[in-house]
Amino acid sequence: ELKVEQNPLFLSMQEGKNYTIYCNYSTTSDRLYWYRQDPGKSLESLFVLLSNGAVKQEGRLMASLDTKARLSTLHITAAVHDLSATYFCAVDIYNFNKFYFGSGTKLNVKP
Amino acid sequence: DAGVTQSPTHLIKTRGQQVTLRCSPKSGHDTVSWYQQALGQGPQFIFQYYEEEERQRGNFPDRFSGHQFPNYSSELNVNALLLGDSALYLCASSPGTFVLTFGAGSRLTVL
Repeated sequence: ELKVEQNPLFLSMQEGKNYTIYCNYSTTSDRLYWYRQDPGKSLESLFVLLSNGAVKQEGRLMASLDTKARLSTLHITAAVHDLSATYFCAVDIYNFNKFYFGSGTKLNVKP
Repeated sequence: DAGVTQSPTHLIKTRGQQVTLRCSPKSGHDTVSWYQQALGQGPQFIFQYYEEEERQRGNFPDRFSGHQFPNYSSELNVNALLLGDSALYLCASSPGTFVLTFGAGSRLTVL
C-alpha cells in the first residue's frame, strides 16, 4: 500500500521567515499534488506536478518534485499570516485520480 | 460556475442508521470520487464513479456504496453507521484524469 508522509506535521513560524514542508512517498509516481485546507473548509488545489524536476511557483509558495527521490517540497518564502492553513500533498500512482494523501502540515504564521 | 456542490452540509445520525450524501460535479466533469476525512487526518479514497460504474474502490467495507446518475451527479450511502464513520465526506469531480475539484463536504456525526 502506498504511504505518503509529510513533515513536519505542525509548523509555527514568524511572519517574514522561510520554511520548507516535505512530502515523501513510497511508490514510484510522477503525479504529485499540493492542496490547501482552511479550518472547516474544503481542499483548494495549489500545484500540480507532473514530471521529474517540475517546479511551480505561485506568490510566496514554490513546489518541486524529485521522482527519483520520491520527494516533493513546498517552500514558503517570507511567510505572511494569510498562509496559515493545513497543507496536504497527494500522490496518484495509477493515473486514475485515486489520490493518496499525506496527513497534512498545519501551518501557523504568527504576526 | 457553481463548482462541486454537496448536500447536506451537516447531519447527525445514531449508530445503526443509514445515511445518503449527494454530490453534483462541476460543469463539464464526468468523473466523481468520494473521500472520507477524519478529524486531523488527510482524506482517504472511498470510491470513484465514471459512466455510472464504480471504477475504483479504496479499502472501505461494503457498508459504503454509491451510485452515479446519467447527469453525472452521485450519491454515497453508508449503512449500519458506526461511531467511527463520523467524518467529513468530500466529493471531488474531474474531467477524466488530472486535477480533482473538491466540494465543501458533508460533515457526518454519528452518536
